[in-house]
Amino acid sequence: SQTIHQWPATLVQPVGSPLSLECTVEGTSNPNLYWYRQAAGRGLQLLFYSVGIGQISSEVPQNLSASRPQDRQFILSSKKLLLSDSGFYLCALGPWTSGSNEQFFGPGTRLTVL
Amino acid sequence: AQSVTQPDIHITVSEGASLELRCNYSYGATPYLFWYVQSPGQGLQLLLKYFSGDTLVQGIKGFEAEFKRSQSSFNLRKPSVHWSDAAEYFCAVGPSLTGTASKLTFGTGTRLQVTL
Repeated sequence: SQTIHQWPATLVQPVGSPLSLECTVEGTSNPNLYWYRQAAGRGLQLLFYSVGIGQISSEVPQNLSASRPQDRQFILSSKKLLLSDSGFYLCALGPWTSGSNEQFFGPGTRLTVL
Repeated sequence: AQSVTQPDIHITVSEGASLELRCNYSYGATPYLFWYVQSPGQGLQLLLKYFSGDTLVQGIKGFEAEFKRSQSSFNLRKPSVHWSDAAEYFCAVGPSLTGTASKLTFGTGTRLQVTL
């Protein structure tokens, strides 16, 4: 079965510092991968998705970027964090099962920018 | 463009009472619909999904949802709520598989509080 690891689980960073969040998946090959952000009291916002190595699509223009250096690795980065980057970041993969387009979510990373 | 509306931001029910969480969607074709649950500080867990066929779908933890095309709704129900059901619930809509990334659109969520 599929497993998603997200690292770190929590992170506190000062404004202007760089960011690197990692998502790795197991139990599947060539998945579609997604990065979502969940701000306090708000729903899920799709940030990036990837259909393969080196293929990144951005949904929302901002100071974040994503990369997919390996089939099962998805990285979210920033050169300089803003206060508004605080939130809960979720990595997801899909399709989860054959014939379905549901997504399977990782445990998330809580980012606080001070 | 697809969209999802969850009109209730916060709902409080007593343990043992019935529950209905509302979800309305906008989509140009037959949608694929999902309900996810999120416990505090956790990722999202799939409760149930609708692709086609029977419009009443059963999920995990005793939840069910009914797809009503005429009302563009996919409401989540549970006949008797348990204290452990307290969480945030998200409705999502997505396209049929097209061979490319299938992006889901999520509602803003409904936070469920259960009183004892």
